[in-house]
Amino acid sequence: QQQVKQSPQSLIVQKGGISIINCAYENTAFDYFPWYQQFPGKGPALLIAIRPDVSEKKEGRFTISFNKSAKQFSLHIMDSQPGDSATYFCAAIFGNEKLTFGTGTRLTIIP
Amino acid sequence: DGGITQSPKYLFRKEGQNVTLSCEQNLNHDAMYWYRQDPGQGLRLIYYSQIVNDFQKGDIAEGYSVSREKKESFPLTVTSAQKNPTAFYLCASSIDRGSLTTDTQYFGPGTRLTVL
Repeated sequence: QQQVKQSPQSLIVQKGGISIINCAYENTAFDYFPWYQQFPGKGPALLIAIRPDVSEKKEGRFTISFNKSAKQFSLHIMDSQPGDSATYFCAAIFGNEKLTFGTGTRLTIIP
Repeated sequence: DGGITQSPKYLFRKEGQNVTLSCEQNLNHDAMYWYRQDPGQGLRLIYYSQIVNDFQKGDIAEGYSVSREKKESFPLTVTSAQKNPTAFYLCASSIDRGSLTTDTQYFGPGTRLTVL
């Protein structure tokens, strides 16, 4: 059973545009929602994370929007750059239980 | 230089052979994890350990074994019973604060295992 659904599977955005990746979850007990960025051949690295008591968190060009009632959260990358080209994973966790990952979005930023 | 190290980066083995992947961390993290990554399937949890000498099965533990004799080390053995072992294996660690809070998992660089 896939508890975190991520879309799209792949995304192509022009340089300077906004990249948007969406995730939906089923378990209302989840209380921590991190996003990971992974470059080819490397391990994932934490990009930004949010807890459900806030609706938005911004760090530089990266913003998480969180909709608790809809059980959805999304990553927005403003002014997307070629260096942002990577695979992005959303995830969710409750307490100290194991992380549940989305299936990933391969983002390509074109000049 | 703190972090998680995995070795080797690339590993080739013949079908039917057991192989052990190394994972070491000097972050003083309590919890360690092993994930398998296949194209289009995200990360799937194999095993995890919250304290020394204790570990639990994840979602896809069949064909794998682990040990946690030291806090810093969490080796993964891919046995011949694993039907499709070729994959990218990722080790992670985190501080374990018990049941009250969640801490970020930090990942190693991964080992790409190819079984010929």
